[in-house]
Amino acid sequence: GENVEQHPSTLSVQEGDSAVIKCTYSDSASNYFPWYKQELGKRPQLIIDIRSNVGEKKDQRIAVTLNKTAKHFSLHITETQPEDSAVYFCAATKPGNTPLVFGKGTRLSVIA
Amino acid sequence: GAGVSQSPSNKVTEKGKDVELRCDPISGHTALYWYRQSLGQGLEFLIYFQGNSAPDKSGLPSDRFSAERTGGSVSTLTIQRTQQEDSAVYLCASSKNRQVGELFFGEGSRLTVL
Repeated sequence: GENVEQHPSTLSVQEGDSAVIKCTYSDSASNYFPWYKQELGKRPQLIIDIRSNVGEKKDQRIAVTLNKTAKHFSLHITETQPEDSAVYFCAATKPGNTPLVFGKGTRLSVIA
Repeated sequence: GAGVSQSPSNKVTEKGKDVELRCDPISGHTALYWYRQSLGQGLEFLIYFQGNSAPDKSGLPSDRFSAERTGGSVSTLTIQRTQQEDSAVYLCASSKNRQVGELFFGEGSRLTVL
């Protein structure tokens, strides 16, 4: 089955700096790659997703890039703010009746 | 409410007891997932239901774990003969479309096995 690796496990940045979280996946058939944010004590929520027919997607301060050849995708957060502090999960899945598989998460701390 | 509802929110049980966790997905959502999140850990896939298809049980850690989904709606995750390592938050999620689309998570059921 699909295997998703995520790095780093923890990340600390100064407020205003950028943060990058990287994921790799194993199944070349995977075509959908969402990112979820989980604030402390809360449920995970979708923040952005990308499908395999595009290489990059942006939404305000958040962007995701996808390299299908290398089977990796990344989350970029610019101008970080304290409220960006949370655990971020990447995930991948392929067409068909298959589940969404998550990475182990990255705990991002934005230091004011 | 319109969100995914899980119960109980907290469950403390003794080792060896059976527990049932319930998930009520968003109405009309055909896909339902169970994930387990141990303290500070990631989202471990357990089981996936999609419509009337046979569930994908490939993530269940042992035969003590089982789940069913009645009438394509409410799901129950059952853990028999609980062990201390079963202590975790069990999250349920549902989505409108098969496999590709936003997952809406419930608040989770926190299980503590003494």
